[in-house]
Amino acid sequence: EAGVVQSPRYKIIEKKQPVAFWCNPISGHNTLYWYLQNLGQGPELLIRYENEEAVDDSQLPKDRFSAERLKGVDSTLKIQPAELGDSAVYLCASSPQGTSGELFFGEGSRLTVL
Amino acid sequence: GESVGLHLPTLSVQEGDNSIINCAYSNSASDYFIWYKQESGKGPQFIIDIRSNMDKRQGQRVTVLLNKTVKHLSLQIAATQPGDSAVYFCAESETGANNLFFGTGTRLTVIP
Repeated sequence: EAGVVQSPRYKIIEKKQPVAFWCNPISGHNTLYWYLQNLGQGPELLIRYENEEAVDDSQLPKDRFSAERLKGVDSTLKIQPAELGDSAVYLCASSPQGTSGELFFGEGSRLTVL
Repeated sequence: GESVGLHLPTLSVQEGDNSIINCAYSNSASDYFIWYKQESGKGPQFIIDIRSNMDKRQGQRVTVLLNKTVKHLSLQIAATQPGDSAVYFCAESETGANNLFFGTGTRLTVIP
């Protein structure tokens, strides 16, 4: 079974430029998460989707970050404009709806803002 | 937000020895706890979880212990192998996996 797929794996941009990350969750997983992971830190939740609905986006900096999951499958996370402090790994995870068990994480997209 | 911390940022053990990774949490309302392993360049991988109505749960070579009185969680790895070298995160939640708060992580290094 294919895992959570993220792209790109690495992205280097200059500050004030836009960037987008894409995530394809495990087939059949209704819940999708975007996490931010700074170097040496644990992941921090940005947004959680149940199907196409964003049910928790309280930690998403809405002035520059946006996300969508239009058909309840793939998701895109966008930053516009990027700032130096946005350099981090952006992790996508998915889980079957209604479970309280494990999240399945992708390998992440590492962003470097110069 | 909740404070989830680890006692030691790094841990080195000899191959074959047992490893114990500790974690403290501050939210007394937390009722779900989970351990993840993260290898370099990869996403976190589930190891084991435990609910607050239990104080011990065992998996394959791993045991999680929960002490709610002192708000302490530990992960024990038996017969540690080189493949166990990674960063280990504890996480806790009041409402299951949907709202996990992760700790900083402990880097485990297994010495062959």
